[in-house]
Amino acid sequence: DTGVSQNPRHKITKRGQNVTFRCDPISEHNRLYWYRQTLGQGPEFLTYFQNEAQLEKSRLLSDRFSAERPKGSFSTLEIQRTEQGDSAMYLCASSPGAQDEQYFGPGTRLTVT
Amino acid sequence: QKEVEQDPGPLSVPEGAIVSLNCTYSNSAFQYFMWYRQYSRKGPELLMYTYSSGNKEDGRFTAQVDKSSKYISLFIRDSQPSDSATYLCAMSGGATNKLIFGTGTLLAVQP
Repeated sequence: DTGVSQNPRHKITKRGQNVTFRCDPISEHNRLYWYRQTLGQGPEFLTYFQNEAQLEKSRLLSDRFSAERPKGSFSTLEIQRTEQGDSAMYLCASSPGAQDEQYFGPGTRLTVT
Repeated sequence: QKEVEQDPGPLSVPEGAIVSLNCTYSNSAFQYFMWYRQYSRKGPELLMYTYSSGNKEDGRFTAQVDKSSKYISLFIRDSQPSDSATYLCAMSGGATNKLIFGTGTLLAVQP
């Protein structure tokens, strides 16, 4: 299967701990997006990369959040000092280019206790 | 007011019915319009992708965009129980192409 993959699929952590999620986009897709989805809501944009460059960050992305895409391949999203309000589904999507359709991965469900 | 409005449902229909799902939006800069299907605890799956106004058909699915009214629709013909899911509309415009989603409509097709 050559779709977008995300790991882990589910993460349970205690408040105050750091967590890191990984996204592997579809091969040769230049754009990679991170979204967050809470129960009963549509996904909300967090940030995106054009190759290895992070070009935009949402105001939802506080200083505790950092994302990287070294070498323009996979991406990681780290949350430091997690809070209960960070509990959500974190979704990654990739697209071939700027105005192309975005394909989503299965998501990482984060539960902060 | 949200940029994209979508009735959350739930919407319950009998098998074989025609389903109509709708979204309205306020940002006239949106040019690309999408419908995603999302099963419980899964990632969104792209169903339809359209540019500007008009209709697009793919199998049992038809997407309509009316930019003058800022209104988009998804029609599902001959609905099946396997179509039971949350349907998300999404739209974008500009260099970022970040997607702005509706809240999703929960659809249940009863056998």
